[in-house]
Amino acid sequence: TQLLEQSPQFLSIQEGENLTVYCNSSSVFSSLQWYRQEPGEGPVLLVTVVTGGEVKKLKRLTFQFGDARKDSSLHITAAQPGDTGLYLCAGSLGGSYIPTFGRGTSLIVHP
Amino acid sequence: DTGVSQDPRHKITKRGQNVTFRCDPISEHNRLYWYRQTLGQGPEFLTYFQNEAQLEKSRLLSDRFSAERPKGSFSTLEIQRTEQGDSAMYLCASSLSGTAEAFFGQGTRLTVV
Repeated sequence: TQLLEQSPQFLSIQEGENLTVYCNSSSVFSSLQWYRQEPGEGPVLLVTVVTGGEVKKLKRLTFQFGDARKDSSLHITAAQPGDTGLYLCAGSLGGSYIPTFGRGTSLIVHP
Repeated sequence: DTGVSQDPRHKITKRGQNVTFRCDPISEHNRLYWYRQTLGQGPEFLTYFQNEAQLEKSRLLSDRFSAERPKGSFSTLEIQRTEQGDSAMYLCASSLSGTAEAFFGQGTRLTVV
């Protein structure tokens, strides 16, 4: 059983469409991170959310942390081919600060 | 700062051989993590160091795996008697203590033939 469940697993869309991916857990996290990973490369940190209900924006990407700090979502507006990649969420429990990852959502944006 | 650096980027080895990977973290980071990632999966935690101390190891880390971080700087991950199931991307990350914001290297892709 995964600590963090991400959905959908795969997403294939056309340029200009909007999308939302989800990261859910039954555990409460002290913080949650989102990463983007391209094939053959390491994950790149996009954002950290810490406070329940927090919303952060990064250009066309909007990240939200659930009120109970058990779930998060990533919304992309007007997706572009450059957004293609594997989107990973990671959370740490208690005071461990060890990132635990979900399986990721693989996004393909077609021109 | 050039970020987290891993070497080599790719390694092909025959089953039964030993391999060693190196990771150079961001210089001011005192935490260093090793993860393994296979196709279709997120990174799986293997072990981490705080300075030179190895504080936690996953059950995924069999007896054939050993990691060191002498002097709290770079780290090495050695796999002895490699098996085909060891084929994966091995990722290193570093962070400051007190935060889960980890910064990753580009990974070492291991193929065991």
